Amino acid sequence: AQSVTQLGSHVSVSEGALVLLRCNYSSSVPPYLFWYVQYPNQGLQLLLKYTSAATLVKGINGFEAEFKKSETSFHLTKPSAHMSDAAEYFCAVSKWTNAGKSTFGDGTTLTVKP
Amino acid sequence: NAGVTQTPKFQVLKTGQSMTLQCAQDMNHEYMSWYRQDPGMGLRLIHYSVGAGITDQGEVPNGYNVSRSTTEDFPLRLLSAAPSQTSVYFCASSPGTGADYGYTFGSGTRLTVV
Repeated sequence: AQSVTQLGSHVSVSEGALVLLRCNYSSSVPPYLFWYVQYPNQGLQLLLKYTSAATLVKGINGFEAEFKKSETSFHLTKPSAHMSDAAEYFCAVSKWTNAGKSTFGDGTTLTVKP
Repeated sequence: NAGVTQTPKFQVLKTGQSMTLQCAQDMNHEYMSWYRQDPGMGLRLIHYSVGAGITDQGEVPNGYNVSRSTTEDFPLRLLSAAPSQTSVYFCASSPGTGADYGYTFGSGTRLTVV
């Protein structure tokens, strides 16, 4: 089985502050991990993905995530939050034995205060 | 390049009615899937397809049917709508069944069953 747990359904930061969204995974084989962003009334958009090449992955809009096998984590960070980062963020896991199916976390809503 | 197109964007059904949610992609993607999104529950996989003529059930398939007669189209049929099917439905596609691709999502169909 594969699963992800996103710690904190709501995260609030001030503009310019560090963004840290937490994701822990469970997988019986080496996983592939993804972060998606969803703006209000829109579909999900792929932010970045880990596919076993480099443990530090850079994505769009200044986001990055680090794969830590020992901690089974894939936390999403951005050094300086912008008002436009306010959205819902989803972590997802898949594995090569599962025909490409991804399992999603429950989501974390990011609020950015001026 | 339209990507993944879902129609309609909004729909209200009465209990017991049937309808089809349309999904079309123009990227020649092999893999297509349907998810439903409910508050606090992330995205749950309904059905998926690894190519034309091949479909399979996901996590929550009851009450839904799919078919895949062409690479481009993957419609989702609600057989007899129930209030529990009130949700936002997303269609997603990827180039193949490789677990490392990540998905392209449509903009969603917001369905209310009364």
